[in-house]
Amino acid sequence: GAGVSQSPRYKVAKRGQDVALRCDPISGHVSLFWYQQALGQGPEFLTYFQNEAQLDKSGLPSDRFFAERPEGSVSTLKIQRTQQEDSAVYLCASSTGLAPGELFFGEGSRLTVL
Amino acid sequence: SQQGEEDPQALSIQEGENATMNCSYKTSINNLQWYRQNSGRGLVHLILIRSNEREKHSGRLRVTLDTSKKSSSLLITASRAADTASYFCATEDAGGTSYGKLTFGQGTILTVHP
Repeated sequence: GAGVSQSPRYKVAKRGQDVALRCDPISGHVSLFWYQQALGQGPEFLTYFQNEAQLDKSGLPSDRFFAERPEGSVSTLKIQRTQQEDSAVYLCASSTGLAPGELFFGEGSRLTVL
Repeated sequence: SQQGEEDPQALSIQEGENATMNCSYKTSINNLQWYRQNSGRGLVHLILIRSNEREKHSGRLRVTLDTSKKSSSLLITASRAADTASYFCATEDAGGTSYGKLTFGQGTILTVHP
């Protein structure tokens, strides 16, 4: 596609619910990243995929967070048993994987946990 | 955790004036990038400077990098109201896998008054 597409743009969840956030990267981009952005802060790294392989998940805050990219294209970030502190904007970015490279970001999914 | 500090946290200027934002970081880097984020939107890449470069220009943007001081600055000349946004620096750490994982600063909010 023309850009990175994320859905839903807005999600309101009750505490304890599971949520799934989808990212459709730019076609052909090998690398895919998930970032979390709290209000008024810069994005913080969550996890990285190269094609379908999850090569770095060091930024995932807890085992309630899980990400996958089974066919090396679309990725899903799943948060189980959501907590209020999970409220944030979740940004997906993709890149060609060539170094050095710029990241192309989607518009983000804003999660609010009540 | 975030890499470093951005200064100032907020900057308010008149159209036509220049805007300078500073960024400090903590580790050795491969490159440093600047991104822009309009309210409620994703991040857009502005410019990348490699660790062996000292200055780079792109249109009205000028970036400097001082690796001895671990700092960078972004200058926007002849600012326009449309430049109003948050600006983030981001670093790619040297060594390791160098696959494009970025660490972002906390950002500078720039307001340009018409």
